[in-house]
Amino acid sequence: DGGITQSPKYLFRKEGQNVTLSCEQNLNHDAMYWYRQDPGQGLRLIYYSQIVNDFQKGDIAEGYSVSREKKESFPLTVTSAQKNPTAFYLCASKDRGGFTDTQYFGPGTRLTVL
Amino acid sequence: AQSVTQLGSHVSVSEGALVLLRCNYSSSVPPYLFWYVQYPNQGLQLLLKYTSAATLVKGINGFEAEFKKSETSFHLTKPSAHMSDAAEYFCAVRDNAGGTSYGKLTFGQGTILTVHP
Repeated sequence: DGGITQSPKYLFRKEGQNVTLSCEQNLNHDAMYWYRQDPGQGLRLIYYSQIVNDFQKGDIAEGYSVSREKKESFPLTVTSAQKNPTAFYLCASKDRGGFTDTQYFGPGTRLTVL
Repeated sequence: AQSVTQLGSHVSVSEGALVLLRCNYSSSVPPYLFWYVQYPNQGLQLLLKYTSAATLVKGINGFEAEFKKSETSFHLTKPSAHMSDAAEYFCAVRDNAGGTSYGKLTFGQGTILTVHP
């Protein structure tokens, strides 16, 4: 079955540590996105990538980094510079073709800083 | 820049009653609009989308939404609520101004729907 997988589902981090969240898709989509979700704030865009080896900052990129070395993978690193990293992180992908194409979401990773 | 406002962070209905979730948007050009549903600790699932075709859009699970340009609204409705509809619902807008195609969405704050037996 085609889809988007995120791992791990739950992640705990000590303050000062970097952690990497995995996002893999087998939908053959060109574009991939990372969102952060906090209660009552909807989803906010962290980074996005339209094609391999290219990515752009979203609205809240500070304290995060990404890479896009393969079409199917778009890992997100939450660095120690992110002051409030506890949140639910969602990855999405979309075929880059048309305006009407839909973003499809993974199941999410819940990150908790101890 | 586009924005989305969902009126009411929590909506409670009885099973079998009408569901109405409100969404108003702000956009400099005709937008594309989406409704997503999220069940606890899961990702988002597309319910329906408006992309400048018919103004009344039908989605999955009996939901529909009507695009009203004069009111800048895209409210989500379902005639009869079911217990399984309890979830959080997000309205989102994609602004197609400038020919960009990376698919950036701006989300509302979300509305939690509770269904009582």
